[in-house]
Amino acid sequence: AQRVTQPEKLLSVFKGAPVELKCNYSYSGSPELFWYVQYSRQRLQLLLRHISRESIKGFTADLNKGETSFHLKKPFAQEEDSAMYYCAPQYSGGSNYKLTFGKGTLLTVNP
Amino acid sequence: GAGVSQSPSNKVTEKGKDVELRCDPISGHTALYWYRQSLGQGLEFLIYFQGNSAPDKSGLPSDRFSAERTGGSVSTLTIQRTQQEDSAVYLCASSLGEGSPYEQYFGPGTRLTVT
Repeated sequence: AQRVTQPEKLLSVFKGAPVELKCNYSYSGSPELFWYVQYSRQRLQLLLRHISRESIKGFTADLNKGETSFHLKKPFAQEEDSAMYYCAPQYSGGSNYKLTFGKGTLLTVNP
Repeated sequence: GAGVSQSPSNKVTEKGKDVELRCDPISGHTALYWYRQSLGQGLEFLIYFQGNSAPDKSGLPSDRFSAERTGGSVSTLTIQRTQQEDSAVYLCASSLGEGSPYEQYFGPGTRLTVT
């Protein structure tokens, strides 16, 4: 079965500090990799996807196929980054592109 | 434009009752997904629709759960004889098509509480 591990349930940093949210996934084919974010009282939304190689809100994520990791990083955290973050590989099973979510990491950025 | 909408936003029901949860996807989105978000379990896939067909129902936890989609649009998730372990937030997502280039857009969820 596909597995996604986000080892930190809670992560607390101070504003301006670097932050790294870890994600490891089980290998099954070549999943596409996403990070989703849920801010307080808002719906779940896409933060970034590996295929786009983009940086969103200062966040980047590097895929390491050897370690099957897709850690999310930001060099200088801001208070508005406080949210729940989910790593989500997308394994294609036939025509189903369902997302497999990790348990999430709650990031708190303190002033 | 309008995003994915779900109703009701909150539902409290007694154990043993049936409930229906509704999802209105973004207009034109052919793919629709149901997920469940519960304490301790995180976000779990339930069922996937492409058009009105459900090629993957593998995430439905028991035969008390069923879902349908009509007109390639609205979807209803039905839970029969609800149990306390069904308490969770049920999320619906839609995407323009299949596959990874297409972002899944999520609704606000329905919080179900079974007493």
